[in-house]
Amino acid sequence: DAKTTQPPSMDCAEGRAANLPCNHSTISGNEYVYWYRQIHSQGPQYIIHGLKNNETNEMASLIITEDRKSSTLILPHATLRDTAVYYCIVRVQGGSEKLVFGKGTKLTVNP
Amino acid sequence: GAGVSQSPSNKVTEKGKDVELRCDPISGHTALYWYRQSLGQGLEFLIYFQGNSAPDKSGLPSDRFSAERTGGSVSTLTIQRTQQEDSAVYLCASSPSRLAGGETGELFFGEGSRLTVL
Repeated sequence: DAKTTQPPSMDCAEGRAANLPCNHSTISGNEYVYWYRQIHSQGPQYIIHGLKNNETNEMASLIITEDRKSSTLILPHATLRDTAVYYCIVRVQGGSEKLVFGKGTKLTVNP
Repeated sequence: GAGVSQSPSNKVTEKGKDVELRCDPISGHTALYWYRQSLGQGLEFLIYFQGNSAPDKSGLPSDRFSAERTGGSVSTLTIQRTQQEDSAVYLCASSPSRLAGGETGELFFGEGSRLTVL
């Protein structure tokens, strides 16, 4: 599975959009991009995933560049409860079933 | 219950003792995963079950670690002769279908079992 690169930490003001980048320059055509987050002392929580088109759900939007080498997770109106570690993961369709978690980005939403 | 249930939530044991950690997945979920997370670290994959079989055991760190799943439901992770480096939060997750098709990306995680080896 391709590896991802994320900044170790980011800050965001409450009520503003949080834009979390992820580089996956070695992604291959059949690999999906997944985002999970882990709030302190809890298990990880699925946010969103996509292949090439931008995706939106009730939690966030996922923007994938045309060349698919990077993506951005957008939390449109960050709240204090969005403070968490955010993981960007790529995995091959039809390959190993496991999700490989990297170190993620620690997002701190400030009042 | 509605979610993945793990027990015990906390376990303190002495070095050299055996421990068993239990995971009750969401009813009907065929895939089950074990991960562990050491203090301040990311999630480390241990083992994956599809039904009762374990096609991927590649993350088990040593032969002291084993896991089984019976009836396609409950899973038990056993650590024999525990060592201090086994101290971690052990997380279980389940998924309703094979992820191979990419149709669903969602793993549902439990709250974990915190293991402390003295």
